[in-house]
Amino acid sequence: EVQLVESGGGLVKPGGSLRLSCAASGFTFSSYSMNWVRQAPGKGLEWVSSISSSSSYIYYADSVKGRFTISRDNAKNSLYLQMNSLRAEDTAVYYCARGAGGYTHFDYWGQGTLVTVSS
Amino acid sequence: QSALTQPASVSGSPGQSITISCTGTSSDVGGYNYVSWYQQHPGKAPKLMIYDVSNRPSGVSNRFSGSKSGNTASLTISGLQAEDEADYYCSSYTSSRLNWVFGGGTKLTVL
Repeated sequence: EVQLVESGGGLVKPGGSLRLSCAASGFTFSSYSMNWVRQAPGKGLEWVSSISSSSSYIYYADSVKGRFTISRDNAKNSLYLQMNSLRAEDTAVYYCARGAGGYTHFDYWGQGTLVTVSS
Repeated sequence: QSALTQPASVSGSPGQSITISCTGTSSDVGGYNYVSWYQQHPGKAPKLMIYDVSNRPSGVSNRFSGSKSGNTASLTISGLQAEDEADYYCSSYTSSRLNWVFGGGTKLTVL
């Protein structure tokens, strides 16, 4: 069974940093692209970042480019999101999602971890 | 403002069919057959329902179907059931800098 479990969320002050993790199991992690998608409270989904299976290709939404860094450790079956210079508008539930079909869709999602940016 | 446009809400009675539209541009929905649909119940993670416009993942009911015409994709749910009440989001690959875009979401109410 595919499982994605996020962790690392919490309350952080504006300008602060946070590192999210996603532990994957139930599939060959090193064979899949991985993604972060977020959802602000009461709002819709927003794609944040993607990383290819071997980390060769990395993409970011304009809203986080230069502030967030996606990475993965295939030996540990883990995905990460380093978030720096956090802003109030980064407040959201952050979901880890597996990429499928050569980047065409996200077939499995974790339960999410809440990041709150507030003073 | 979301990149893809969806109606804020739709409703239907049990047993009826409903259709949710998702309108984009030639850079996303109209340019690629990479439209997907996600169901999200309150407080839960999104679940993939349709991918590549009209394909259903294993385990998803055949009451769910997808289609596309020009820059507009659609999700149709037939034989509505109470458990279908949820938020539905469309998504598409885009050639613009965003790479992947979502619609604003549609709240389905089963009357």
